[in-house]
Amino acid sequence: NAGVTQTPKFRVLKTGQSMTLLCAQDMNHEYMYWYRQDPGMGLRLIHYSVGEGTTAKGEVPDGYNVSRLKKQNFLLGLESAAPSQTSVYFCASSTTGATNEKLFFGSGTQLSVL
Amino acid sequence: AQSVTQLGSHVSVSEGALVLLRCNYSSSVPPYLFWYVQYPNQGLQLLLKYTTGATLVKGINGFEAEFKKSETSFHLTKPSAHMSDAAEYFCAVSEKSSGDKLTFGTGTRLAVRP
Repeated sequence: NAGVTQTPKFRVLKTGQSMTLLCAQDMNHEYMYWYRQDPGMGLRLIHYSVGEGTTAKGEVPDGYNVSRLKKQNFLLGLESAAPSQTSVYFCASSTTGATNEKLFFGSGTQLSVL
Repeated sequence: AQSVTQLGSHVSVSEGALVLLRCNYSSSVPPYLFWYVQYPNQGLQLLLKYTTGATLVKGINGFEAEFKKSETSFHLTKPSAHMSDAAEYFCAVSEKSSGDKLTFGTGTRLAVRP
């Protein structure tokens, strides 16, 4: 049982490059989330999805796009990376939402933008 | 808007000593409160949560937290620290009206001295 898997684990980009982070979960969860974690700022919600084909903005959505074409996958895209997007990115999923059920987290993606 | 404040970004205790990590929340409606733990190079794991009912909540690994509405607090405690408790701890709050989104605090890093 893999749980929540994030790909890649590490990535270095140059300013202006694009990339996609993949999150896959095998627990048949409806809800999926993308967070970024920065020192002294905790986790901040970027985008989330309450089901296949749906997405919504979180607290810090600017500069990111997401897609949930399949229930098990939630993709986070950076169209033109900026140094301010250097961070650790976490994907999470839950059955019925973070209020009622615990979030299952992936192990994170360390992204550096030079 | 919901928010949480964690007092103390770093806490250091001796092995066997009491662990006390502080969390105060702000919410316009009765909140749901959570503590998550993050071990090095891993994603977050749920320690415990308060939704309704008993205000003293017991979690995994001997941790517990008490919801005190009058003090708007949800402090995390453990009677006797183990070396394996060294990690970063995040308090989080959610409101039903927020669309099942969690708002995390900035985290407290717990060090345990031999």
